[in-house]
Amino acid sequence: DAKTTQPTSMDCAEGRAANLPCNHSTISGNEYVYWYRQIHSQGPQYIIHGLKNNETNEMASLIITEDRKSSTLILPHATLRDTAVYYCIVRVVWSGGGADGLTFGKGTHLIIQP
Amino acid sequence: DVKVTQSSRYLVKRTGEKVFLECVQDMDHENMFWYRQDPGLGLRLIYFSYDVKMKEKGDIPEGYSVSREKKERFSLILESASTNQTSMYLCASSYLAGNNEQFFGPGTRLTVL
Repeated sequence: DAKTTQPTSMDCAEGRAANLPCNHSTISGNEYVYWYRQIHSQGPQYIIHGLKNNETNEMASLIITEDRKSSTLILPHATLRDTAVYYCIVRVVWSGGGADGLTFGKGTHLIIQP
Repeated sequence: DVKVTQSSRYLVKRTGEKVFLECVQDMDHENMFWYRQDPGLGLRLIYFSYDVKMKEKGDIPEGYSVSREKKERFSLILESASTNQTSMYLCASSYLAGNNEQFFGPGTRLTVL
């Protein structure tokens, strides 16, 4: 899987949009961009994933650049409960069985300020 | 919503004890995983199962075994617990198709004295 680069930490005011960047310049054509987060002392939580089109769900939006070398996770109205470490990873997805274990980098520690 | 539950949030055991960690998922997922997470070492895969009675070793299987007798349940067994197995243990599940999103349980923080 291609490597990703994320800022170590970011602050965001409560109620504002939090924009978390991720660089994945060596991404391959069959690799998806995935985002997970981990709130302190809890298990990781899946947020969203995408291949090349922008994606939105009830938690967040994912914007992927046209060349797919970078992406941005957007939390539209951040709350204090969004304080967590956010991990951006790229993974091949296939239709058959089997799976690889998840490997997280250091991620971005997002702190939502009241 | 996908729900993955683990039998205990906190567990304290003594060196040499046999330890069972249970994980149950309610979304009929084929794949189930056991990880451990340690500061500075990140998430490491211990074992993975893609079907009942099927298992595959992950990156660090030594000192562990697993059991999957029913589709919804995946157990991690420490045959003889040691202090270096003190860690956060995380269970996850996903649909069969390779590398779909994984859904995690809350974790079990195991301390071996």
